[in-house]
Amino acid sequence: KAGVTQTPRYLIKTRGQQVTLSCSPISGHRSVSWYQQTPGQGLQFLFEYFSETQRNKGNFPGRFSGRQFSNSRSEMNVSTLELGDSALYLCASSQSGDGYNEQFFGPGTRLTVL
Amino acid sequence: DQQVKQNSPSLSVQEGRISILNCDYTNSMFDYFLWYKKYPAEGPTFLISISSIKDKNEDGRFTVFLNKSAKHLSLHIVPSQPGDSAVYFCAASLNAGGTSYGKLTFGQGTILTVHP
Repeated sequence: KAGVTQTPRYLIKTRGQQVTLSCSPISGHRSVSWYQQTPGQGLQFLFEYFSETQRNKGNFPGRFSGRQFSNSRSEMNVSTLELGDSALYLCASSQSGDGYNEQFFGPGTRLTVL
Repeated sequence: DQQVKQNSPSLSVQEGRISILNCDYTNSMFDYFLWYKKYPAEGPTFLISISSIKDKNEDGRFTVFLNKSAKHLSLHIVPSQPGDSAVYFCAASLNAGGTSYGKLTFGQGTILTVHP
């Protein structure tokens, strides 16, 4: 089975721009979660999607949004980029997203905001 | 508030010896715990998990112990190998629907170095 894939792997943007990141989950997995990893804050939960619906959201501003398509692929969008948005963005998939499922991570997208 | 803590930023071990990585949590509602390994420029790789109804789970060289009364879990790697050198994260989840869906709460990680 193919693992979780994320595109692009690296992005460089300037302040004020917007960015869209893509994630393809493991086949058969319907839940996709997104995380932000920074040196200071560690791995922080952004949001989770299941069957095209956002079921849970972490403590991030509204500039961070996402969506999920009928094939379970997911995108996240960050608008009006700030320097502090520079981070590794990880997506993870699981079968159902409930608390007893392991999550499997993609390689991440490294976003640099200049 | 940091609900999952890994108090040791780093650990150095000789090849063939045991590595013990520790993790503490404060939220007694957590009922599922996981360990991940992460190499630079890669996503975390799932290692092993344990449900709160158990106190031990083994998978090959990896064993996770859970002490619910102390809100403490540990990962034992025996024997340690140089390829185990990576950052190890413990994570916790709870199965309560709503604001727990798809959410893992991570510790800050411990850098394990295994010397040949």
